[in-house]
Amino acid sequence: EDQVTQSPEALRLQEGESSSLNCSYTVSGLRGLFWYRQDPGKGPEFLFTLYSAGEEKEKERLKATLTKKESFLHITAPKPEDSATYLCAVQANAGGTSYGKLTFGQGTILTVHP
Amino acid sequence: GAVVSQHPSWVICKSGTSVKIECRSLDFQATTMFWYRQFPKQSLMLMATSNEGSKATYEQGVEKDKFLINHASLTLSTLTVTSAHPEDSSFYICSAPPRWGLNSYEQYFGPGTRLTVT
Repeated sequence: EDQVTQSPEALRLQEGESSSLNCSYTVSGLRGLFWYRQDPGKGPEFLFTLYSAGEEKEKERLKATLTKKESFLHITAPKPEDSATYLCAVQANAGGTSYGKLTFGQGTILTVHP
Repeated sequence: GAVVSQHPSWVICKSGTSVKIECRSLDFQATTMFWYRQFPKQSLMLMATSNEGSKATYEQGVEKDKFLINHASLTLSTLTVTSAHPEDSSFYICSAPPRWGLNSYEQYFGPGTRLTVT
Protein backbone atom coordinates (compact mmCIF):
# COMPACT_ATOMS: atom_id res chain seq x y z
CA GLU A 1 0.00 0.00 0.00
CA ASP A 2 1.28 3.45 -0.90
CA GLN A 3 2.15 5.61 2.10
CA VAL A 4 3.10 9.25 2.54
CA THR A 5 4.34 10.76 5.79
CA GLN A 6 4.94 14.45 6.20
CA SER A 7 6.93 16.18 8.91
CA PRO A 8 6.71 18.25 10.90
CA GLU A 9 2.96 18.39 11.46
CA ALA A 10 3.21 22.10 12.17
CA LEU A 11 5.97 24.62 11.66
CA ARG A 12 6.15 28.17 12.96
CA LEU A 13 8.69 30.49 11.38
CA GLN A 14 9.59 34.12 11.65
CA GLU A 15 9.44 36.09 8.46
CA GLY A 16 12.70 35.56 6.61
CA GLU A 17 13.60 32.38 8.51
CA SER A 18 14.26 29.67 5.90
CA SER A 19 13.34 26.04 6.55
CA SER A 20 12.36 22.74 4.93
CA LEU A 21 9.35 20.47 4.97
CA ASN A 22 9.81 16.73 4.57
CA CYS A 23 7.73 14.16 2.70
CA SER A 24 8.72 10.50 3.05
CA TYR A 25 7.02 8.00 0.79
CA THR A 26 6.73 4.36 -0.12
CA VAL A 27 5.09 3.52 -3.41
CA SER A 28 5.07 0.61 -5.80
CA GLY A 29 6.74 2.45 -8.66
CA LEU A 30 6.57 6.23 -8.58
CA ARG A 31 4.86 7.97 -11.46
CA GLY A 32 5.01 11.37 -9.81
CA LEU A 33 5.27 13.23 -6.51
CA PHE A 34 3.13 16.32 -6.14
CA TRP A 35 3.25 19.30 -3.83
CA TYR A 36 0.14 21.36 -3.17
CA ARG A 37 -0.67 24.36 -1.04
CA GLN A 38 -4.06 24.45 0.70
CA ASP A 39 -5.55 27.49 2.37
CA PRO A 40 -8.37 27.02 4.92
CA GLY A 41 -11.70 26.20 3.29
CA LYS A 42 -10.23 25.97 -0.20
CA GLY A 43 -9.12 23.29 -2.61
CA PRO A 44 -5.43 22.42 -2.99
CA GLU A 45 -3.41 24.67 -5.27
CA PHE A 46 -0.88 22.89 -7.49
CA LEU A 47 2.76 23.79 -6.86
CA PHE A 48 5.11 21.18 -8.31
CA THR A 49 5.38 17.75 -9.87
CA LEU A 50 8.59 15.73 -9.55
CA TYR A 51 9.02 12.59 -11.60
CA SER A 52 12.48 11.18 -10.89
CA ALA A 53 15.14 11.18 -8.19
CA GLY A 54 17.48 14.13 -8.45
CA GLU A 55 14.87 16.38 -9.99
CA GLU A 56 14.45 19.89 -8.58
CA LYS A 57 11.89 22.59 -9.30
CA GLU A 58 11.61 26.17 -8.11
CA LYS A 59 8.87 28.73 -7.89
CA GLU A 60 9.45 32.05 -6.17
CA ARG A 61 10.51 31.25 -2.58
CA LEU A 62 9.81 27.53 -2.91
CA LYS A 63 12.10 24.77 -4.12
CA ALA A 64 11.16 21.09 -4.28
CA THR A 65 13.64 18.24 -4.45
CA LEU A 66 13.21 14.49 -4.81
CA THR A 67 15.16 11.39 -3.79
CA LYS A 68 14.12 7.75 -4.03
CA LYS A 69 12.62 7.86 -0.54
CA GLU A 70 11.66 11.44 0.20
CA SER A 71 11.01 14.92 -1.04
CA PHE A 72 11.80 18.26 0.52
CA LEU A 73 10.03 21.55 0.09
CA HIS A 74 12.52 24.30 0.89
CA ILE A 75 11.13 27.70 1.78
CA THR A 76 13.59 30.57 1.48
CA ALA A 77 12.95 33.82 3.34
CA PRO A 78 9.25 33.08 3.88
CA LYS A 79 6.62 35.79 4.14
CA PRO A 80 3.36 35.75 6.15
CA GLU A 81 1.44 35.08 2.93
CA ASP A 82 3.22 31.73 2.66
CA SER A 83 1.24 30.55 5.68
CA ALA A 84 -0.86 27.56 4.60
CA THR A 85 -1.01 23.79 4.77
CA TYR A 86 1.43 22.14 2.39
CA LEU A 87 0.38 18.75 1.08
CA CYS A 88 2.53 16.09 -0.51
CA ALA A 89 1.01 13.33 -2.65
CA VAL A 90 2.30 10.41 -4.67
CA GLN A 91 0.91 8.69 -7.70
CA ALA A 92 1.89 5.11 -8.41
CA ASN A 93 2.83 3.72 -11.76
CA ALA A 94 0.12 1.12 -11.44
CA GLY A 95 -2.93 0.48 -13.51
CA GLY A 96 -6.18 -1.06 -12.52
CA THR A 97 -9.04 0.56 -10.68
CA SER A 98 -6.88 3.11 -8.86
CA TYR A 99 -5.25 4.49 -11.97
CA GLY A 100 -4.43 8.12 -11.34
CA LYS A 101 -5.03 7.92 -7.60
CA LEU A 102 -3.18 10.45 -5.49
CA THR A 103 -2.20 9.30 -2.01
CA PHE A 104 -1.81 12.30 0.26
CA GLY A 105 0.19 12.88 3.40
CA GLN A 106 -1.38 14.56 6.39
CA GLY A 107 0.17 17.89 5.51
CA THR A 108 2.39 20.40 7.27
CA ILE A 109 0.71 23.50 8.67
CA LEU A 110 3.09 26.39 8.11
CA THR A 111 2.67 29.64 9.99
CA VAL A 112 4.96 32.56 9.19
CA HIS A 113 4.94 35.39 11.72
CA PRO A 114 5.80 38.94 10.66
CA GLY B 1 -5.28 27.72 -17.66
CA ALA B 2 -6.31 24.45 -16.01
CA VAL B 3 -9.20 25.86 -14.01
CA VAL B 4 -11.63 23.57 -12.23
CA SER B 5 -14.83 24.91 -10.70
CA GLN B 6 -17.34 23.41 -8.30
CA HIS B 7 -20.92 24.27 -7.50
CA PRO B 8 -22.21 24.90 -4.96
CA SER B 9 -19.40 26.09 -2.73
CA TRP B 10 -21.41 25.18 0.34
CA VAL B 11 -24.72 23.48 1.00
CA ILE B 12 -26.81 22.62 4.03
CA CYS B 13 -29.38 19.86 3.73
CA LYS B 14 -31.64 17.86 6.00
CA SER B 15 -30.92 14.26 6.88
CA GLY B 16 -32.48 11.88 4.35
CA THR B 17 -32.37 14.24 1.40
CA SER B 18 -30.05 14.11 -1.62
CA VAL B 19 -27.52 16.70 -2.71
CA LYS B 20 -25.83 17.11 -6.08
CA ILE B 21 -22.37 18.66 -6.48
CA GLU B 22 -21.03 19.71 -9.87
CA CYS B 23 -17.41 19.73 -11.00
CA ARG B 24 -16.48 21.48 -14.24
CA SER B 25 -13.23 21.86 -16.15
CA LEU B 26 -13.46 25.38 -17.54
CA ASP B 27 -10.67 25.56 -20.07
CA PHE B 28 -9.84 21.98 -20.92
CA GLN B 29 -11.51 18.67 -21.51
CA ALA B 30 -11.22 15.92 -18.96
CA THR B 31 -12.11 12.34 -19.74
CA THR B 32 -11.21 11.53 -16.15
CA MET B 33 -12.05 13.41 -12.96
CA PHE B 34 -11.49 12.46 -9.37
CA TRP B 35 -13.64 13.00 -6.27
CA TYR B 36 -12.00 13.42 -2.86
CA ARG B 37 -13.37 13.92 0.62
CA GLN B 38 -11.64 15.80 3.41
CA PHE B 39 -12.73 15.71 7.04
CA PRO B 40 -11.66 18.48 9.43
CA LYS B 41 -7.96 18.49 10.17
CA GLN B 42 -7.45 15.45 7.94
CA SER B 43 -5.97 15.01 4.52
CA LEU B 44 -7.72 14.25 1.26
CA MET B 45 -9.00 10.75 0.61
CA LEU B 46 -9.92 9.59 -2.87
CA MET B 47 -13.52 8.44 -3.11
CA ALA B 48 -13.90 7.58 -6.76
CA THR B 49 -12.64 8.06 -10.28
CA SER B 50 -15.15 9.51 -12.72
CA ASN B 51 -14.83 8.39 -16.33
CA GLU B 52 -16.61 10.14 -19.17
CA GLY B 53 -19.08 7.86 -20.85
CA SER B 54 -18.58 4.93 -18.49
CA LYS B 55 -19.17 3.89 -14.91
CA ALA B 56 -17.18 5.41 -12.11
CA THR B 57 -14.74 3.31 -10.15
CA TYR B 58 -14.97 3.55 -6.38
CA GLU B 59 -12.31 3.17 -3.72
CA GLN B 60 -12.65 0.40 -1.20
CA GLY B 61 -15.15 1.28 1.50
CA VAL B 62 -17.01 3.92 -0.53
CA GLU B 63 -20.67 3.04 -1.11
CA LYS B 64 -21.38 3.44 -4.81
CA ASP B 65 -25.14 3.45 -4.24
CA LYS B 66 -24.81 6.33 -1.80
CA PHE B 67 -22.36 8.45 -3.78
CA LEU B 68 -23.65 8.50 -7.33
CA ILE B 69 -21.24 9.83 -9.95
CA ASN B 70 -22.19 10.85 -13.47
CA HIS B 71 -19.62 12.06 -16.01
CA ALA B 72 -21.91 13.01 -18.86
CA SER B 73 -19.58 15.26 -20.81
CA LEU B 74 -15.89 16.04 -21.21
CA THR B 75 -16.20 19.06 -18.92
CA LEU B 76 -18.72 18.01 -16.27
CA SER B 77 -18.85 15.41 -13.53
CA THR B 78 -21.48 15.32 -10.80
CA LEU B 79 -21.48 13.70 -7.38
CA THR B 80 -24.85 13.05 -5.78
CA VAL B 81 -24.94 12.21 -2.09
CA THR B 82 -28.13 10.22 -1.63
CA SER B 83 -30.05 9.91 1.63
CA ALA B 84 -27.51 12.11 3.33
CA HIS B 85 -26.74 11.66 7.02
CA PRO B 86 -24.82 13.88 9.42
CA GLU B 87 -21.74 11.67 9.09
CA ASP B 88 -21.63 12.60 5.38
CA SER B 89 -20.89 16.18 6.39
CA SER B 90 -17.49 16.93 4.90
CA PHE B 91 -15.52 18.94 2.36
CA TYR B 92 -15.86 17.40 -1.10
CA ILE B 93 -13.24 18.31 -3.68
CA CYS B 94 -12.89 17.26 -7.29
CA SER B 95 -9.80 17.24 -9.45
CA ALA B 96 -9.01 16.83 -13.12
CA PRO B 97 -5.82 16.28 -15.11
CA PRO B 98 -5.61 18.63 -18.10
CA ARG B 99 -2.94 16.76 -19.98
CA TRP B 100 -3.41 13.16 -18.86
CA GLY B 101 -0.97 10.76 -20.40
CA LEU B 102 0.94 13.41 -22.33
CA ASN B 103 3.95 13.00 -20.06
CA SER B 104 2.08 14.99 -17.45
CA TYR B 105 -0.07 13.63 -14.67
CA GLU B 106 -0.74 16.83 -12.79
CA GLN B 107 -4.18 17.15 -11.25
CA TYR B 108 -5.84 20.48 -10.63
CA PHE B 109 -8.37 20.78 -7.87
CA GLY B 110 -11.64 22.62 -7.62
CA PRO B 111 -12.35 25.01 -4.75
CA GLY B 112 -14.35 22.39 -2.86
CA THR B 113 -17.92 22.07 -1.62
CA ARG B 114 -18.71 22.17 2.08
CA LEU B 115 -21.63 19.86 2.85
CA THR B 116 -23.41 20.07 6.18
CA VAL B 117 -26.19 17.59 6.90
CA THR B 118 -28.49 18.51 9.77
